[in-house]
Amino acid sequence: GAVVSQHPSRVICKSGTSVKIECRSLDFQATTMFWYRQFPKQSLMLMATSNEGSKATYEQGVEKDKFLINHASLTLSTLTVTSAHPEDSSFYICSASFRDEQFFGPGTRLTVL
Amino acid sequence: DAKTTQPPSMDCAEGRAANLPCNHSTISGNEYVYWYRQIHSQGPQYIIHGLKNNETNEMASLIITEDRKSSTLILPHATLRDTAVYYCIVRPPRGGGYNKLIFGAGTRLAVHP
Repeated sequence: GAVVSQHPSRVICKSGTSVKIECRSLDFQATTMFWYRQFPKQSLMLMATSNEGSKATYEQGVEKDKFLINHASLTLSTLTVTSAHPEDSSFYICSASFRDEQFFGPGTRLTVL
Repeated sequence: DAKTTQPPSMDCAEGRAANLPCNHSTISGNEYVYWYRQIHSQGPQYIIHGLKNNETNEMASLIITEDRKSSTLILPHATLRDTAVYYCIVRPPRGGGYNKLIFGAGTRLAVHP
């Protein structure tokens, strides 16, 4: 149990386009989900906390207008990278809270050309 | 949240025990110690957690010093599949639904034949 999926697993896009990444809790409901970003050979950096039915809480230095988060249901949160640029290329990972624990998705690798 | 310090890298021979240390000298009395690991290009995987007492599960053992300022994760019989980055995280107590995890640099464990 407590499985989290992400879609897509990989995406390549052109600079200036927007990309949407989905995070789903498959067998549980998650009122809180988290989005992380990880650059090569670096640790995970928390971007934002996504709460179902309310606005996301962004960490300091993360542009909320660039990284749009929507948590419309108890099993789905989406992260949209708007007007993506090469420096946005990274590994994006989500996690979902269940019974006070966090379960992580497999990650989405974004490459912006 | 309390900060943790881990060695950047460690080596271990296959079949031997891997002992991964973590310092968390500023830990508060009600904060838990969590361990996650991240195999290359995957999402983090929960390993174990504890508050004061030593803990053991099917994956590992967690030894927490009496003053709680440090802990050691023990993989009793390391295999090549245990090669990963191991993260020691101190987090606020349970409850309140606020389970933000802040990842440090972690320890890169290499298990060799």
